[in-house]
Amino acid sequence: KQEVTQIPAALSVPEGENLVLNCSFTDSAIYNLQWFRQDPGKGLTSLLLIQSSQREQTSGRLNASLDKSSGRSTLYIAASQPGDSATYLCAVRPSSSNTGKLIFGQGTTLQVKP
Amino acid sequence: NAGVTQTPKFQVLKTGQSMTLQCAQDMNHEYMSWYRQDPGMGLRLIHYSVGAGITDQGEVPNGYNVSRSTTEDFPLRLLSAAPSQTSVYFCASTTAGGGANVLTFGAGSRLTVL
Repeated sequence: KQEVTQIPAALSVPEGENLVLNCSFTDSAIYNLQWFRQDPGKGLTSLLLIQSSQREQTSGRLNASLDKSSGRSTLYIAASQPGDSATYLCAVRPSSSNTGKLIFGQGTTLQVKP
Repeated sequence: NAGVTQTPKFQVLKTGQSMTLQCAQDMNHEYMSWYRQDPGMGLRLIHYSVGAGITDQGEVPNGYNVSRSTTEDFPLRLLSAAPSQTSVYFCASTTAGGGANVLTFGAGSRLTVL
């Protein structure tokens, strides 16, 4: 059974730091991996999607990498800002699943202090 | 540009009561799904649908019913609410088929069962 784990559960950093959020999954048979952002009391917003054949994706200050063989993904946030404070979730779509059946990690809650 | 709309945003029920959480999307997405989010558990898939008239169970379907009579709507029914169903519920949709299917989430419905 696919399991997704995110460590740490919470992270607090000063503004301007570069930081890395980690996501690990137990079964390398995935179709893609997505990173989401969730603000308190809000829904999820997709940040980056990496197909299984890709190694990384970039969007602005965000860079997500994928190492399927080791079952790991990282989300790199450059020059963090207070506005980056949110919960970040990763989710994998197993190769055996249909379109939207995602397996989520528990999330990392990030606080960026001014 | 409504995206995925969920109603109600908040609901308090007594044990044994029934209710329906509504979900509507205006993006002509074939795929729709319901997740629940509990502290420390991430999001877990309840039910999903790949098109009108087609539904299937996810990871935690017990106590919930769904139907998909139109492409736009995917209501989630609780027939006899239990305290264990206290959670935040998210509806999500995307296009079906292969490729980079990024899920679009609603803002969530917070349900408390007393």
